[in-house]
Amino acid sequence: DQQVKQNSPSLSVQEGRISILNCDYTNSMFDYFLWYKKYPAEGPTFLISISSIKDKNEDGRFTVFLNKSAKHLSLHIVPSQPGDSAVYFCAAVNQGGKLIFGQGTELSVKP
Amino acid sequence: DTEVTQTPKHLVMGMTNKKSLKCEQHMGHRAMYWYKQKAKKPPELMFVYSYEKLSINESVPSRFSPECPNSSLLNLHLHALQPEDSALYLCASSHGSREQFFGPGTRLTVL
Repeated sequence: DQQVKQNSPSLSVQEGRISILNCDYTNSMFDYFLWYKKYPAEGPTFLISISSIKDKNEDGRFTVFLNKSAKHLSLHIVPSQPGDSAVYFCAAVNQGGKLIFGQGTELSVKP
Repeated sequence: DTEVTQTPKHLVMGMTNKKSLKCEQHMGHRAMYWYKQKAKKPPELMFVYSYEKLSINESVPSRFSPECPNSSLLNLHLHALQPEDSALYLCASSHGSREQFFGPGTRLTVL
């Protein structure tokens, strides 16, 4: 039972354009969500988070949007840069404090 | 100091060896975690320590043995591993039950 889903395993975007990574969840009790970025053979790096009391959180080029009624969140990266090429994981915090990860989306930003 | 450090970076061991992975954080975080990650998959939670006590063991085989000597250190003792245990082992820490900050990982190869 996959409670957090990232349905696009990969995404390719031109440098300078917007990257939109999507994430869906099934458990309406989730109240905190995070995005992590991961380069090969490195640990995940925390990018940005959002609480369920908000619908948007912005940090520089990264913006996370939360649509609670649709149980959907998205990460926007604008403008995209080649260094953004990595695997992006969406995660929800469950009531026990565990991170429930999606399967990841591999972003490729082409020069 | 805002990072989680892990040693060694790489480890190759035979199935009869005993080795240990080490993790350290000086952010004052009271929760520390061990994860296992296979290529391009999300991290899988293994163990959680909260206030130096083991609070979650995700049914991990006994050939993996965690230890938390103090609030800044976390060890993972390895014995009689199998080739399928080869993976990136990640340590993380968190202040509460929200953002977890990951170390760079130890790339383990079991021959």
